[in-house]
Amino acid sequence: GESVGLHLPTLSVQEGDNSIINCAYSNSASDYFIWYKQESGKGPQFIIDIRSNMDKRQGQRVTVLLNKTVKHLSLQIAATQPGDSAVYFCAENPDGTYKYIFGTGTRLKVLA
Amino acid sequence: DAGVIQSPRHEVTEMGQEVTLRCKPISGHNSLFWYRQTMMRGLELLIYFNNNVPIDDSGMPEDRFSAKMPNASFSTLKIQPSEPRDSAVYFCASRTGGNDQPQHFGDGTRLSIL
Repeated sequence: GESVGLHLPTLSVQEGDNSIINCAYSNSASDYFIWYKQESGKGPQFIIDIRSNMDKRQGQRVTVLLNKTVKHLSLQIAATQPGDSAVYFCAENPDGTYKYIFGTGTRLKVLA
Repeated sequence: DAGVIQSPRHEVTEMGQEVTLRCKPISGHNSLFWYRQTMMRGLELLIYFNNNVPIDDSGMPEDRFSAKMPNASFSTLKIQPSEPRDSAVYFCASRTGGNDQPQHFGDGTRLSIL
């Protein structure tokens, strides 16, 4: 379940538009999910999390949606800003373990 | 609030030398993780401590790698002797509570072994 960063998919979005970043997770036993943002030269920064007993959770300008039926997670960023440019990746936490399974990152580019 | 603090931020050294990476977790956090990040393999968990005790070191590549956590506010990851293939970014993360709490990462140490 390691992520491969050599050829990251890229999402280009106009400043002010909404962004949707998707993640397909692998383990149907996962019950906790996290989105991270990683800027160049920095560590992964926690954005938002969601537990499997929820299908939606909102934060400041961000919303995470969870569809357990198809094992899909998405991160929506409202009114995307230049400071949102980064690599975003999801992590899933199978029930009862401390290990994260990291998704393949998506590079978000915000166009001025 | 202070996040996870790692030092040094960058380390360049010649192969065969000993390298020590340092981490100060967030105060009050009871779990600490060391990761390695490379372009090819992404984030790999090296070792996990809970309440200063190593719980899982199965991700440590080989005996050249060792990690300690002498107290709740400090951990080290040591590589001796270092090799060029150890070049990567090493992250420390900490967490409070159980497995349903997020891990918080430091800004990493970029290690280059020549």
